[in-house]
Amino acid sequence: GAGVSQTPSNKVTEKGKYVELRCDPISGHTALYWYRQSLGQGPEFLIYFQGTGAADDSGLPNDRFFAVRPEGSVSTLKIQRTERGDSAVYLCASSLAVLSEQYFGPGTRLTVT
Amino acid sequence: GENVEQHPSTLSVQEGDSAVIKCTYSDSASNYFPWYKQELGKRPQLIIDIRSNVGEKKDQRIAVTLNKTAKHFSLHITETQPEDSAVYFCAALIAGTALIFGKGTTLSVSS
Repeated sequence: GAGVSQTPSNKVTEKGKYVELRCDPISGHTALYWYRQSLGQGPEFLIYFQGTGAADDSGLPNDRFFAVRPEGSVSTLKIQRTERGDSAVYLCASSLAVLSEQYFGPGTRLTVT
Repeated sequence: GENVEQHPSTLSVQEGDSAVIKCTYSDSASNYFPWYKQELGKRPQLIIDIRSNVGEKKDQRIAVTLNKTAKHFSLHITETQPEDSAVYFCAALIAGTALIFGKGTTLSVSS
C-alpha cells in the first residue's frame, strides 16, 4: 500500500512568512508524529497525535509552531513568522499504534531566506 | 529528559568486514529501540528494532543486542556491502510517545 506522503517536497519562503506543511499517514495508522531534522543531525521530536488529539506537543520549540489533525488522518504543521533558524527537513511518521513501528514520509525541506 | 548517545560518528570498513554501532540511553523506562538507515536525501528507513523483553534480534546480516541493565544497545552488520553505506540512527521510545534519536553514524563500505 501507499506509504506516508508529505507535501510540498520543498518550500522556500521569506523570513516572517507563514507556511503550512502537510502529511498524509498510512491508511489506518492512528498515531502520527512530526519531527524536524537539521543537517547532520538525527530527527528531533516535535509533536505526536493519537487520533485527532495532540497527545504530546512538548517538542514544539515555541508558540510559532502549531499542528492539527482534525479528522484523525491528514495532519498540517503550521509555522508562523518563520525565521531562518526554522530551515530544516520536516519529517512526518505514522504508526499503527503507540508502540508500533514508525514509518517516515519523504519530508518537506523548508528553507527560510 | 531522555538522551541517546551514539558512537562512532563515522565508521569506515572494507567490504565483507563487520560493522558495529553502539548507543546508550538515559531513561530506564524506555522499552522500544529501533534502528533507521538514511541514504542521502532520502527518508529514514526502519531496518530492525528490539523491545525490552528480548536481548537480541537478528534479520539476515543485521542484528541488534540490548543490555537493559547497562542501558545500551548495539547494531551489528556482518559481511558489509557497498550498498550498506548510509547514515544509521538509533532511537529510544520515551513514555510510549516520541522517539529520541542519536546523532547518527555515517558508515562507509569500500570495495
